[in-house]
Amino acid sequence: SYVLTQPPSVSVAPGQTARITCGGNNIGDKSVHWYQQMPGQAPVLVVYDDTDRPSETPERFSGSSSGNTATLTISGVEAGDEADYYCQVWDTTSDHVFGPGTKVTVL
Amino acid sequence: QVQLVQSGAEVKKPGSSVKVSCQASGGAFTSYGFNWVRQAPGQGLEWMGGKVPIFEKSNYAQHFQGRVTITTDQSTRTTYMEMTSLRSEDTAVYFCARSGPALIGHFDLWGRGTLVIVSS
Repeated sequence: SYVLTQPPSVSVAPGQTARITCGGNNIGDKSVHWYQQMPGQAPVLVVYDDTDRPSETPERFSGSSSGNTATLTISGVEAGDEADYYCQVWDTTSDHVFGPGTKVTVL
Repeated sequence: QVQLVQSGAEVKKPGSSVKVSCQASGGAFTSYGFNWVRQAPGQGLEWMGGKVPIFEKSNYAQHFQGRVTITTDQSTRTTYMEMTSLRSEDTAVYFCARSGPALIGHFDLWGRGTLVIVSS
């Protein structure tokens, strides 16, 4: 089965850049999607197909993917960005797979 | 505004069944896939399965095969997820999530979740 890995936590000061990685075997060959989940709320799609943003997603959020690592970058982090972030791919043998999630803390 | 409206919280006994609903308000219904994703307390997201309303067949994650049934009712624009033989480990929030019609790719719209508690 296909497995995704994420760091459990990332801490960043306001205004700085947060980078959340998502590791998987040849993940660069797949489409990677990212979700933001605030406490007690449903996930919200913030980046899809590696780099695309839904219209509601601020431009501060960007994605990239190559080799065995995909990255969600949050530039100019704000207090309101504090949340859990999940990566997700679709795999032919495993169907939809989510990463374990990364908690972003704004210091 | 398109929304996915889920049914309310449930408390169930071990060994019983639960059926959770998700109604799509607004937008096209048959052009999308509707999936179920669960999240146990303090845990991550787990895809359970999905169905496209115009197709008869549903897709299920191997872990849930035989215990979960996903159906759709086009007349009411509602998707259902029924789980049988409930155990305490099934205590979780169950989300419905919309995908493209091939049931692959991303989930662009989510319901607010339905809490299911399994307890004796």
